[in-house]
Amino acid sequence: DAKTTQPPSMDCAEGRAANLPCNHSTISGNEYVYWYRQIHSQGPQYIIHGLKNNETNEMASLIITEDRKSSTLILPHATLRDTAVYYCIVRVAILNDMRFGAGTRLTVKP
Amino acid sequence: DTEVTQTPKHLVMGMTNKKSLKCEQHMGHRAMYWYKQKAKKPPELMFVYSYEKLSINESVPSRFSPECPNSSLLNLHLHALQPEDSALYLCASSQEGTEAGYTFGSGTRLTVV
Repeated sequence: DAKTTQPPSMDCAEGRAANLPCNHSTISGNEYVYWYRQIHSQGPQYIIHGLKNNETNEMASLIITEDRKSSTLILPHATLRDTAVYYCIVRVAILNDMRFGAGTRLTVKP
Repeated sequence: DTEVTQTPKHLVMGMTNKKSLKCEQHMGHRAMYWYKQKAKKPPELMFVYSYEKLSINESVPSRFSPECPNSSLLNLHLHALQPEDSALYLCASSQEGTEAGYTFGSGTRLTVV
């Protein structure tokens, strides 16, 4: 069974914030939330991860709800180059077994 | 060096051929991975190496044979493949036993004819 649920597709206007939701209602206490993206025909790219606190880096922000059952990836000012498939993944950090779900196809439109 | 390098970028092989995919990283990562990705599908985990030892094999057919000759190199040997094995093969690496994210290569696009 998939550990995460994401909408299959989303659109966003260029220059606006893109908010990508992820449901992980069965997450365990030792599982982190990771976000990757894959631009067409390239390898996946790590974006950000977190355990329970909100996180921000130069690419995005990650908001995790207090009960940790869902999270949101925020791209603050989406550009056309942010068009990609975004994957939300939960995994125990010390286990080397990252598996991908179906992801969300984000299309940024001019 | 913060990259995972995969060669070749494209490969066309016949069903009776033997070929190898190569992956290299110089980030000191001791965990390395092979994933297979079919068109419009997410990557699927195939093999995991930890400290040059095979730790996960996701019931991959024996016509795929992984090898980790040292801490920087990962190979995938291919023999007697089928057309349905045509896919993008991705290599990744990560720090062993930490929360750090994975670094992926750009993949090898394999076509079996």
